[in-house]
Amino acid sequence: GEDVEQSLFLSVREGDSSVINCTYTDSSSTYLYWYKQEPGAGLQLLTYIFSNMDMKQDQRLTVLLNKKDKHLSLRIADTQTGDSAIYFCADQNRDDKIIFGKGTRLHILP
Amino acid sequence: NAGVTQTPKFRVLKTGQSMTLLCAQDMNHEYMYWYRQDPGMGLRLIHYSVGEGTTAKGEVPDGYNVSRLKKQNFLLGLESAAPSQTSVYFCASSFRQGGGETQYFGPGTRLLVL
Repeated sequence: GEDVEQSLFLSVREGDSSVINCTYTDSSSTYLYWYKQEPGAGLQLLTYIFSNMDMKQDQRLTVLLNKKDKHLSLRIADTQTGDSAIYFCADQNRDDKIIFGKGTRLHILP
Repeated sequence: NAGVTQTPKFRVLKTGQSMTLLCAQDMNHEYMYWYRQDPGMGLRLIHYSVGEGTTAKGEVPDGYNVSRLKKQNFLLGLESAAPSQTSVYFCASSFRQGGGETQYFGPGTRLLVL
C-alpha cells in the first residue's frame, strides 16, 4: 500500500535552517502537505504544494518537491524556539485519500 | 468560529466500559475524520464521513463505531474499551477547494483504559 516516511527526530540550533525530509511511494499524488503539531494540540496546516510544482516559498518556509524521486522537504529558515513541534508530511492521491507520515519531532538547541 | 471542538478532553475508563467521544465543527464542512495518535505510529485513520448520514471505515476501525446524524457532529463510540485503545484521539473536518483538501483538527481527547 501507499506509504509516507519521515525521520522521527531532528535537532537544530536556534537561528540555523531546519530541513525536514519526507519520502512517499504513491505515484498518483496530487497534493503534498506539511502539518505542524505543537505540544498538547491538534495538527495545523502549514503549507502545501501541488504535484506539478517543484518549489513553493512562504515567508520562512520553503517546500521542495522532487517528483521523480518522490521526495518532499520542508526548510525552515532562521529556526526559532516557537518552531519546536512535530511536523507531519501528508500525501493526497488521485482518489483524494490522504496518508500521513509518522511525524518528525523538531528540537531547537539554544 | 470555534472551529473543531472535542469532548471530553481527558477520560479514564476501565476495561469493558463504553464511552462516546463527541466532535463538533461550525465550518459547514462535509468531511469529518477520527484519528488516533500513538507514539511512533503517527496518525492512523479510524473512521471517516463524507457527508451527513454517511460513514466509512479507515485503517484501524475495529473496536470503534461512528455516527454522523448531523452535519456538524461526528461521534466516535467505544462499546467495550480495551487497554489497546489507550491513545490520543483527534477529530478533523475538511473542505475541498480546487482539488486540494485542508483538514482542521480538534485539540484531541486523551483516553486511558485501565
